[in-house]
Amino acid sequence: DTGVSQDPRHKITKRGQNVTFRCDPISEHNRLYWYRQTLGQGPEFLTYFQNEAQLEKSRLLSDRFSAERPKGSFSTLEIQRTEQGDSAMYLCASSQRWGRPSNYGYTFGSGTRLTVV
Amino acid sequence: DQQVKQNSPSLSVQEGRISILNCDYTNSMFDYFLWYKKYPAEGPTFLISISSIKDKNEDGRFTVFLNKSAKHLSLHIVPSQPGDSAVYFCAASAVGNDMRFGAGTRLTVKP
Repeated sequence: DTGVSQDPRHKITKRGQNVTFRCDPISEHNRLYWYRQTLGQGPEFLTYFQNEAQLEKSRLLSDRFSAERPKGSFSTLEIQRTEQGDSAMYLCASSQRWGRPSNYGYTFGSGTRLTVV
Repeated sequence: DQQVKQNSPSLSVQEGRISILNCDYTNSMFDYFLWYKKYPAEGPTFLISISSIKDKNEDGRFTVFLNKSAKHLSLHIVPSQPGDSAVYFCAASAVGNDMRFGAGTRLTVKP
């Protein structure tokens, strides 16, 4: 197992274009999370999946953002009509189903750095 | 809403000395707390955690202390090593919910 993989590592796009990122979680993890991190800030929660079900979405996730996890394995995050304010590091993480008292730690991918010009 | 706060954006310590990173939280429903370390161009990596039923958890050079009445936790690194230089994020969660992160503290350990 190679951990959580994210593709691409970097993406530069023009304002108004659509972009899609992919995340491949650790295979036995059934929870998958998307976070966004801007400079000088910690990761901000965007959304998460339990298997293929999207269970929670942050208010940060505007209508231009959509995430899918069609078969409960990999996930995609699409941003439509990108804006300069979307420039950030997009982090994906996965974990086992929530439980006590186990380690709640997520395993993060290396992220996709988006630059909107 | 900043439910998890790390008020020190940076900290510099000498190699071999103790590093103390602090974190405050506001949500009394949080019952699990974690510290992550992040190097440039990498995702955060899990470091150590503590449940709200404990007030201390130790793992080698790393110890996390939790003061629930003050809604405060801290990470102690003893002795600090240059390889510890990274950004440290405090995170907290309530059962069944996602984690909330602080803004991070950049630790620099000088040789």
